[in-house]
Amino acid sequence: ETGVTQSPTHLIKTRGQQVTLRCSSQSGHNTVSWYQQALGQGPQFIFQYYREEENGRGNFPPRFSGLQFPNYSSELNVNALELDDSALYLCASSFTGGNTEAFFGQGTRLTVV
Amino acid sequence: GENVEQHPSTLSVQEGDSAVIKCTYSDSASNYFPWYKQELGKGPQLIIDIRSNVGEKKDQRIAVTLNKTAKHFSLHITETQPEDSAVYFCAASNANFGNEKLTFGTGTRLTIIP
Repeated sequence: ETGVTQSPTHLIKTRGQQVTLRCSSQSGHNTVSWYQQALGQGPQFIFQYYREEENGRGNFPPRFSGLQFPNYSSELNVNALELDDSALYLCASSFTGGNTEAFFGQGTRLTVV
Repeated sequence: GENVEQHPSTLSVQEGDSAVIKCTYSDSASNYFPWYKQELGKGPQLIIDIRSNVGEKKDQRIAVTLNKTAKHFSLHITETQPEDSAVYFCAASNANFGNEKLTFGTGTRLTIIP
């Protein structure tokens, strides 16, 4: 078990709504990355946060945004939800400046109807 | 950007036999190659990783090899057990500047036949 926790574990939203997903990083880690995993696919990088700033972004539109807090926890916000946003959203915790290992939480299963 | 291909997509192995999963990457700047195991309903679990200054790494029944020239790396699981059944993902990143993004393969569903 990693020390990375995500909430909620599941949720259902309606197309057009907004959603906020939360992640608590592992103790001692200062960097959080978010990934989207569609069914049957590998995780796709959304963005990474370090020192409360976005530190790299994948090929996702601006309606995907995030925050990192002073305690290194993070939020992923998605506006104007689309059906294709249905996926498992994974948070990965790591330490910039040391080992590169990234440890994942259990994910949040988002279903958009 | 980086592109990672993974084969096979499914693999069935008799318990006790070995399993091999192969990945290729496109970006010669990639220097960090982790492998993750994902069980149903769970997040990916890091099982082993290798950096570009090493050709092989072993941890009990699991080993990873890296061929930088050919840009491919492989996961080897020996003496497979039923609990090894899961989806395995390879990934690659350029970790020179810290925690760059991981680019994942499409996954291999490994089934261990008792």
